Amino acid sequence: DAGITQSPRHKVTETGTPVTLRCHQTENHRYMYWYRQDPGHGLRLIHYSYGVKDTDKGEVSDGYSVSRSKTEDFLLTLESATSSQTSVYFCAISESGLAGGSETQYFGPGTRLLVL
Amino acid sequence: QKEVEQNSGPLSVPEGAIASLNCTYSDRGSQSFFWYRQYSGKSPELIMSIYSNGDKEDGRFTAQLNKASQYVSLLIRDSQPSDSATYLCGSNQFYFGTGTSLTVIP
Repeated sequence: DAGITQSPRHKVTETGTPVTLRCHQTENHRYMYWYRQDPGHGLRLIHYSYGVKDTDKGEVSDGYSVSRSKTEDFLLTLESATSSQTSVYFCAISESGLAGGSETQYFGPGTRLLVL
Repeated sequence: QKEVEQNSGPLSVPEGAIASLNCTYSDRGSQSFFWYRQYSGKSPELIMSIYSNGDKEDGRFTAQLNKASQYVSLLIRDSQPSDSATYLCGSNQFYFGTGTSLTVIP
């Protein structure tokens, strides 16, 4: 398995509270991604990073922010959690981005978030 | 319309049969494609990647890419019960299909 860990693995929180999910990699890959996975929607990209302090929005970025201060860590923050953000969140990494020949993504174990 | 579309299934095949999974995409800028397998409650794991038109084989798995028709397929030969999972098709544009659920019946 690629060296990717996510924390926490499970979290229950209340509407309106801030939540931060952490992704940590030991592969020194340049690209890191946050996806959410919901029934009927599949995997959808929230944000991604192509280097330290370099991030961009994905398909479903509203209500989420990210930060990457070190190569190995990528944080996803829900500023004020809502019930619609109840989901399974996956972090992924890849050596390169859109078209570098090494854009295969490797996924972390996931975080199950329940917003009550 | 989603950028990457898959038949959600479920697809059931008997053990030993060929399972055929299909995916279409809308962005002609997509250059490479990936098939992931996801067991229930687990994270997606890469099975195959394909970048060029034609077939790519790896053991019991064959990926096919047709850029003119904008479709990608995955064939699983000699299907085993352990192949029962959801299969996700993805593109290098960070889009994934909703997945096809496959059940291999012993």
